[in-house]
Amino acid sequence: DQQVKQNSPSLSVQEGRISILNCDYTNSMFDYFLWYKKYPAEGPTFLISISSIKDKNEDGRFTVFLNKSAKHLSLHIVPSQPGDSAVYFCAASGGSNYQLIWGAGTKLIIKP
Amino acid sequence: GAGVSQTPSNKVTEKGKYVELRCDPISGHTALYWYRQSLGQGPEFLIYFQGTGAADDSGLPNDRFFAVRPEGSVSTLKIQRTERGDSAVYLCASSLAANTDTQYFGPGTRLTVL
Repeated sequence: DQQVKQNSPSLSVQEGRISILNCDYTNSMFDYFLWYKKYPAEGPTFLISISSIKDKNEDGRFTVFLNKSAKHLSLHIVPSQPGDSAVYFCAASGGSNYQLIWGAGTKLIIKP
Repeated sequence: GAGVSQTPSNKVTEKGKYVELRCDPISGHTALYWYRQSLGQGPEFLIYFQGTGAADDSGLPNDRFFAVRPEGSVSTLKIQRTERGDSAVYLCASSLAANTDTQYFGPGTRLTVL
């Protein structure tokens, strides 16, 4: 049973437009959420996180939104750049549990 | 500064053989994690070290898998009697401490069992 789901395996966005990546979770004990970005042949790189006490966290072009009632979070990238082309993973953890539970990833392709 | 490094980057072995995968965490990071990533999936937790001790090995799939971190820095993941299903990318991460500290990942070791 997948506790963290990324239902879109891939997403194609025009350069300069907004990219929106979505993630759903089922475990109500999750209280910390992260987005990682992964290039081929590299390990995942931390991008941005959000605690369940917030509903929005912003860092430059990246904003993460959390809707706890819907158990849904999203990552917005504005404006999208060619270097943003990568696989994006959503991950979650609960309480003091360091174990990250990961989604399957969404491959983002930024078209020039 | 130096990130997490993993060796080898690729390992091809035959079914039934023994393999060791090495992880060098970021200097000063006390927490170290091993994950396994199969094709088309996100990483799956295997084991977590706090210092020298395995604080949580609940993700290890069976007793063929074992990991050590004898001096609280470098860690080795050991797989005995490898099976074709063990083929995956094995990722190592480290963090300053545990809980919600950001985990920094190495590039992974791609293990192929023929």
